[in-house]
Formats: sequence, C-alpha cells, structure tokens
Amino acid sequence: AQSVAQPEDQVNVAEGNPLTVKCTYSVSGNPYLFWYVQYPNRGLQFLLKYITGDNLVKGSYGFEAEFNKSQTSFHLKKPSALVSDSALYFCAVTLSGFQKLVFGTGTRLLVSP
Amino acid sequence: AAGVIQSPRHLIKEKRETATLKCYPIPRHDTVYWYQQGPGQDPQFLISFYEKMQSDKGSIPDRFSAQQFSDYHSELNMSSLELGDSALYFCASSLNRDNEQYFGPGTRLTVT
Repeated sequence: AQSVAQPEDQVNVAEGNPLTVKCTYSVSGNPYLFWYVQYPNRGLQFLLKYITGDNLVKGSYGFEAEFNKSQTSFHLKKPSALVSDSALYFCAVTLSGFQKLVFGTGTRLLVSP
Repeated sequence: AAGVIQSPRHLIKEKRETATLKCYPIPRHDTVYWYQQGPGQDPQFLISFYEKMQSDKGSIPDRFSAQQFSDYHSELNMSSLELGDSALYFCASSLNRDNEQYFGPGTRLTVT
C-alpha cells in the first residue's frame, strides 16, 4: 500500500526567504505525486504534480517540487515566501495512474511579515 | 473557470438522521471522488465513480451510499448518522481517471 509522510507539522519562514515543505513517500511501483494547498474553510487547491520526466516540476503561484527517486522524496519549494502563502499543505500520492489520492498528514506553513 | 460545486456548504443533523450531499463536477469531467476530512485530519478517500459506474471504494461505512447520475453529478447519502460522522466532505472531479483531481469547497456536516 502507498503512504505519504510529512515530517513537519509546521514550518515557519520569514517573508522573502525561501521555503521548503518536506514529503516522503512509499509505494511499490512508480508514484504519481501531488501537492495541494488548503486555506481555512476552503477546499484543496491543486498546486503541481509529478508523473514522469524532469525531476523538477513547476506549479502554481511560484511553487516547485523536486522528485528524488533515491530518497523517495517530493519536497515543495518556493524561492521567496509570501505572507499569503500561509496555509495547510498536503502531499499526496497515487499508484497506477490518477486513482484515489492518499494524503500525508499535512504541514502548516506560517510566513511572518 | 468553472469549479466543482458542492451543496449544501453546511449541514447540521441529529444522530440517527439522514443526509444527502451533492456534487456537481467541472463541465466535461466524468470522474468523481468523495473524501472525508475529520477535524485536524488529512482527507480520507471514500468512493469514486467513472462514467456513472463505481470505480473504487475506500473506507466508506455501510451506512453511506453514493451514485453518479447521467449528468455526471454525484450524491453521497448518509444514514443513521453518528457523532463521528461530523467532518468536512469533499468532492473532487477529473477528466477521466488519468488527470489530476480538482476539489470542491466541501460540505461541513455537523451531527449533534
């Protein structure tokens, strides 16, 4: 069975600094990896996905993620954080195509002015 | 751009009552997924439909049932509600099973 781990409950970063939200996965096959963001009382918004190809994936709002097969990681990054990036971030994985998503426990990102 | 629509947005029910949640996918999307997110939890997959047929089933209680209709909208029917059913219920849609899922705003169900 596939699983996702987000080791940090919360990440704090100052506005303008780079941010990283960590994600590792465990699947018995080739993973399809996703990042979603959730603002308070809102649905999940799709940020980016990795299926195959270039290990560096660019997504919405200036976010990017790097797929590392040897470390089974898919960390979310942004070169310069904004206060408006403060939200709950979920990493998710599917196997064998775009089937049901298995989510990590989420990481709360807090960007201070 | 059109998004996934869910109704109602908020629902309050008493124990042992029934509830029906509705989901209207993005136009032309033929696949619908239902997820349940408890307080402070990550979303958990309940059930999915592709072209009006159930395609996968997760941790959905027997008290719950769902279907997808000819216009691709979906309904999640919940009976004999329990306090533990209080959660945020998300619907997501995708263009066939091979594309990313787009989520609706969710229905917050409170069972008292």
